[in-house]
Amino acid sequence: AQSVTQLDSQVPVFEEAPVELRCNYSSSVSVYLFWYVQYPNQGLQLLLKYLSGSTLVKSINGFEAEFNKSQTSFHLRKPSVHISDTAEYFCAVSSLNNNDMRFGAGTRLTVKP
Amino acid sequence: DTGVSQDPRHKITKRGQNVTFRCDPISEHNRLYWYRQTLGQGPEFLTYFQNEAQLEKSRLLSDRFSAERPKGSFSTLEIQRTEQGDSAMYLCASSFRRDGSGELFFGEGSRLTVL
Repeated sequence: AQSVTQLDSQVPVFEEAPVELRCNYSSSVSVYLFWYVQYPNQGLQLLLKYLSGSTLVKSINGFEAEFNKSQTSFHLRKPSVHISDTAEYFCAVSSLNNNDMRFGAGTRLTVKP
Repeated sequence: DTGVSQDPRHKITKRGQNVTFRCDPISEHNRLYWYRQTLGQGPEFLTYFQNEAQLEKSRLLSDRFSAERPKGSFSTLEIQRTEQGDSAMYLCASSFRRDGSGELFFGEGSRLTVL
């Protein structure tokens, strides 16, 4: 079975500063990796995903994540955050033969002016 | 709006009562999932359907929990004899991929409070 560890429960950062949200996974098989975002009072929505190919994947709003197989990591980064990026971010893992997607505990990103 | 919808959004009940939640997935999606989320935790997998067949259940789903998807469209999650530990957000998600690479589309959840 797969599992996900998000190393930081809360990350406060000032506007326009860079941010990294850390995610490590464990699995005995090849994985698919996802980052979901949950804005206040909204449902979870996909931010970006890694299925295969290029290990660096990007979202439309400036986030990127890199799949690192040797370190079993999929950290999320943004070079300059906005107030509107304040949300809960969840890392998730699944695989070809798994029917359930496993989520980490989440990281609350708070962007301060 | 053609997203995943859940009803009711909030439910307050007394311990020992039964509650039922409904989920309407995106119409062309054949997979439907139920997750539970408690404060400070990520979503925990409960069960999933491929069309009308319930193919997997987590051990988190005790005998008091039952889920159905009678015609492969909407789904219901019933909790019998509710306990305070059942208080949580119950999330429904749907997907159209046949393997684990498919994006899950989530509803806004049904929040249960058991007094």
